[in-house]
Amino acid sequence: AQSVTQLGSHVSVSEGALVLLRCNYSSSVPPYLFWYVQYPNQGLQLLLKYTTGATLVKGINGFEAEFKKSETSFHLTKPSAHMSDAAEYFCAVTSNFGNEKLTFGTGTRLTIIP
Amino acid sequence: EADIYQTPRYLVIGTGKKITLECSQTMGHDKMYWYQQDPGMELHLIHYSYGVNSTEKGDLSSESTVSRIRTEHFPLTLESARPSHTSQYLCASSEYIQGDGYTFGSGTRLTVV
Repeated sequence: AQSVTQLGSHVSVSEGALVLLRCNYSSSVPPYLFWYVQYPNQGLQLLLKYTTGATLVKGINGFEAEFKKSETSFHLTKPSAHMSDAAEYFCAVTSNFGNEKLTFGTGTRLTIIP
Repeated sequence: EADIYQTPRYLVIGTGKKITLECSQTMGHDKMYWYQQDPGMELHLIHYSYGVNSTEKGDLSSESTVSRIRTEHFPLTLESARPSHTSQYLCASSEYIQGDGYTFGSGTRLTVV
């Protein structure tokens, strides 16, 4: 069984400050990890993903995440927050094993303070 | 352009009415999913399908039903809507290979009065 824990259901940062959204996962097989963003009244949009290879992955809108197997983490960062980053962010895990489905975290609402 | 479409985007309907939420994708994906999203953000899988004539219930019990007669189409039906069904419903699809993740539609926000 797989699971995802997102620490902090609400995170507020000042415009221009570092964004750090935390995600820890549990998986008994090599994981595939994803970050999705959801803007108001929209579906989820893929920000970035890790499957194999380089552990630091870059996504859209200046976001990146690092897969750390020893820490079972996949934290999302952005060096400088922009007002347009205000949204809900979901971390998710799956694997390439059989028909495993995506398991989502409970989400983190990011607020940007002007 | 390959995409996934949900209609309607917003729906307000009276208690007891039958409704169908539409979901169509043009990517030829075998796998499709329906999620219910509550106001607290959390996503709950209510139905999924791995291909034509294949449907399964998800992790969250739901009074809705689904069908998969064509690869591209995965409608969700509520026979008798109730206020407790008020929520956002998200449809998604994916390749058989897991590495691409899911592609989501824009959602249907349902309000039952």
